[in-house]
Amino acid sequence: AQSVTQLGSHVSVSEGALVLLRCNYSSSVPPYLFWYVQYPNQGLQLLLKYTSAATLVKGINGFEAEFKKSETSFHLTKPSAHMSDAAEYFCAVSDDSWGKLQFGAGTQVVVTP
Amino acid sequence: GAGVSQSPSNKVTEKGKDVELRCDPISGHTALYWYRQRLGQGLEFLIYFQGNSAPDKSGLPSDRFSAERTGESVSTLTIQRTQQEDSAVYLCASSANRGREQYFGPGTRLTVT
Repeated sequence: AQSVTQLGSHVSVSEGALVLLRCNYSSSVPPYLFWYVQYPNQGLQLLLKYTSAATLVKGINGFEAEFKKSETSFHLTKPSAHMSDAAEYFCAVSDDSWGKLQFGAGTQVVVTP
Repeated sequence: GAGVSQSPSNKVTEKGKDVELRCDPISGHTALYWYRQRLGQGLEFLIYFQGNSAPDKSGLPSDRFSAERTGESVSTLTIQRTQQEDSAVYLCASSANRGREQYFGPGTRLTVT
């Protein structure tokens, strides 16, 4: 069985500040891990994915995430927030043979000037 | 290239009516997934297609929900005798193969009055 926990349903950051979104997972097998972003009234866009090739994964729009097996974590970071980063972010895990995604509850990011 | 498309984008229906939601996946993608996103909640997996067979229907919430897929193309999600709790955004995603990254459509917002 797999599950995902995102700490913090809402995060407010100042423009230019570090963005840190936390994700912890549980999985009975080595998982695939994903971060998706959802802008208002749009579908989900893939930010990045972990598939065991490298523990530090770089994605689009300056985001990156580090897979830490010992901590069962896959936190998302961006060094400097932009106003355009305001959106909802979802962490997801897939560890079954069908590839279905189990999503976290999401974190709404607000960027203040 | 063309992404995943869904229609209609919005659907308002009366309680007790049947609705059909359509998904056009990315050409060549063999795997297709349906998810549901209820207000204030995360995304829930509904059903997975590999080609036109559905090996995983474990997320369908009741027998009022059904889905079919024609070959490796269009999929239709049908909800019979809609209830107010069916109100949600229904998202479709496709993937080149199970376990690979999923590409999401913009969703269909269903409102049951």
